Amino acid sequence: GAGVSQTPSNKVTEKGKYVELRCDPISGHTALYWYRQSLGQGPEFLIYFQGTGAADDSGLPNDRFFAVRPEGSVSTLKIQRTERGDSAVYLCASSLIALGSGANVLTFGAGSRLTVL
Amino acid sequence: AQTVTQSQPEMSVQEAETVTLSCTYDTSENNYYLFWYKQPPSRQMILVIRQEAYKQQNATENRFSVNFQKAAKSFSLKISDSQLGDTAMYFCAFMNLLIQGAQKLVFGQGTRLTINP
Repeated sequence: GAGVSQTPSNKVTEKGKYVELRCDPISGHTALYWYRQSLGQGPEFLIYFQGTGAADDSGLPNDRFFAVRPEGSVSTLKIQRTERGDSAVYLCASSLIALGSGANVLTFGAGSRLTVL
Repeated sequence: AQTVTQSQPEMSVQEAETVTLSCTYDTSENNYYLFWYKQPPSRQMILVIRQEAYKQQNATENRFSVNFQKAAKSFSLKISDSQLGDTAMYFCAFMNLLIQGAQKLVFGQGTRLTINP
């Protein structure tokens, strides 16, 4: 697609429920990133995929958070047993990447705003 | 671990004025990139400008320029002839160049910039 697409745009759920957030990256972008942005803060790194594999998941806060990218394109961020503290905007970004070639510009989606009541 | 600090939570200027947003960072690395991103109410992070640490010349993109002081670990953004459309949150971000690792962005807390007519 022309840009990074994220769905849903807004999600309201109840504490304890399961949530899935979807990211459709720019076609051909091999790298995909998830960030979390709490109210009034800058985005914080969660996880990075190179192709189908999670190359770095050091930012996932705990084992309730999980992400997949089974075919190396669309990615789903999954949150189990949601808590009120999970409320935030979840941003996805993608980029072309060539190791050793320097920084690659990330293109961000508009994010999914999650509200846990 | 790298940190990025933006000491100005909010700024406000009149249209056509020049405004400078401050950013400092902390790292022990020598090779890295610095970025300024703009986040309007639509939530999408938009790249404004980037600077390679090994380049002494300050980056410029039309009305946007940076003052990169590597020894002081300072990276300020100057917006000339400010326009109403420049109203947004601005985030400073750091990227460490790891040949084998993820190209993760570390963001500051953001500065809310308002351009008044």
